[in-house]
Amino acid sequence: EAAVTQSPRNKVAVTGGKVTLSCNQTNNHNNMYWYRQDTGHGLRLIHYSYGAGSTEKGDIPDGYKASRPSQENFSLILELATPSQTSVYFCASGDAWTANSDYTFGSGTRLLVI
Amino acid sequence: SQWGEENLQALSIQEGEDVTMNCSYKTYTTVVHWYRQDSGRGPALIILIRSNEREKRSGRLRATLDTSSQSSSLSITAAQCEDTAVYFCATKPSSFSKLVFGQGTSLSVVP
Repeated sequence: EAAVTQSPRNKVAVTGGKVTLSCNQTNNHNNMYWYRQDTGHGLRLIHYSYGAGSTEKGDIPDGYKASRPSQENFSLILELATPSQTSVYFCASGDAWTANSDYTFGSGTRLLVI
Repeated sequence: SQWGEENLQALSIQEGEDVTMNCSYKTYTTVVHWYRQDSGRGPALIILIRSNEREKRSGRLRATLDTSSQSSSLSITAAQCEDTAVYFCATKPSSFSKLVFGQGTSLSVVP
């Protein structure tokens, strides 16, 4: 079954440390997305990608980098983690060439920066 | 893009009641997606309505779209406790653009 898998599921990081969140999709979708969701709030787009080697800034890219080494994998990198980056992070994939295609989301990574 | 910064709206209803959630969007859209997010999970599409449709049904779900007022609604008939979740609308300004997610509604259905 096609899916989006995120790892780790939970992460505790120290302030100033480097954090890498990983996402793998088996949907063969061109586009992938990273969102953060804070408690009681909606989804905010951090970075996205149109395909391998491509990364684009979303609405809140500051403090984050992204990497898309292959069609299947999309990583979110926090070079210097801060407590304000404590959140739940969701990865999603979507088909670029189907006008009505939906996004398939992973189950999220809960990040706590202390 | 600013929708995600707003607080979720909260609704609490009793089992068996009908409920309607509304979504207003700011630009033209080719389609409105409605997603459901269960606790501890990512959102998942539950119903999609295209710009040339006024109503779409799927089981106990009914979505409407009014392009003139740039609004959509999601109704659940005879809500069940298992309908408790957060519901998001999402729009798409053009066929190949990114989805733009609305603020979301946290629905609680109590026995």
